Amino acid sequence: DAKTTQPTSMDCAEGRAANLPCNHSTISGNEYVYWYRQIHSQGPQYIIHGLKNNETNEMASLIITEDRKSSTLILPHATLRDTAVYYCIVRSVSGNTPIVFGKGTRLSVIA
Amino acid sequence: GAGVSQSPSNKVTEKGKDVELRCDPISGHTALYWYRQSLGQGLEFLIYFQGNSAPDKSGLPSDRFSAERTGGSVSTLTIQRTQQEDSAVYLCASRSQYEQFFGPGTRLTVL
Repeated sequence: DAKTTQPTSMDCAEGRAANLPCNHSTISGNEYVYWYRQIHSQGPQYIIHGLKNNETNEMASLIITEDRKSSTLILPHATLRDTAVYYCIVRSVSGNTPIVFGKGTRLSVIA
Repeated sequence: GAGVSQSPSNKVTEKGKDVELRCDPISGHTALYWYRQSLGQGLEFLIYFQGNSAPDKSGLPSDRFSAERTGGSVSTLTIQRTQQEDSAVYLCASRSQYEQFFGPGTRLTVL
């Protein structure tokens, strides 16, 4: 699986959009971009994934650049409960190999 | 439907004792993973099962660790002769085609 690079930490004001960047310049054609988050003392939670088109679900939006070398996870209206570590992962959807979690971005939503 | 469940949620044991941690994956998921997370650290892959194939044990830290999956469903992670460095949250996950769902984890404390 390709390597990803994320900022160590970010702050966001409550109610504002949180934009979390991820670089994955070595992504290959059959690899998807996945985002998970881990709220303190809980297991990781799947958020969203995409291949090349932008995706949106009830939790977030995923914007992938045209060259697919980077992406941004957008939480449109961050709440205090969105404070968590956010992991960007690149992997082939057909593979069952274990997800390799990096250090992620620690997002702090501030009142 | 029900998610991944794990038991016990917390386990305190004495150094040298054996422990068993249980994971009930989502029904129908053929892939099952065990990870552990030490305090303030990222997720560390331990072992994964895929259908009837031989498990990938490459992440197990020592021969004191073993796991089995009975009937392609429930899995048990066993740690023999526990050591203080085994203290961590042990997470189980099962996988559908696109998403990996994590359980709440078992917090193991070795005194």
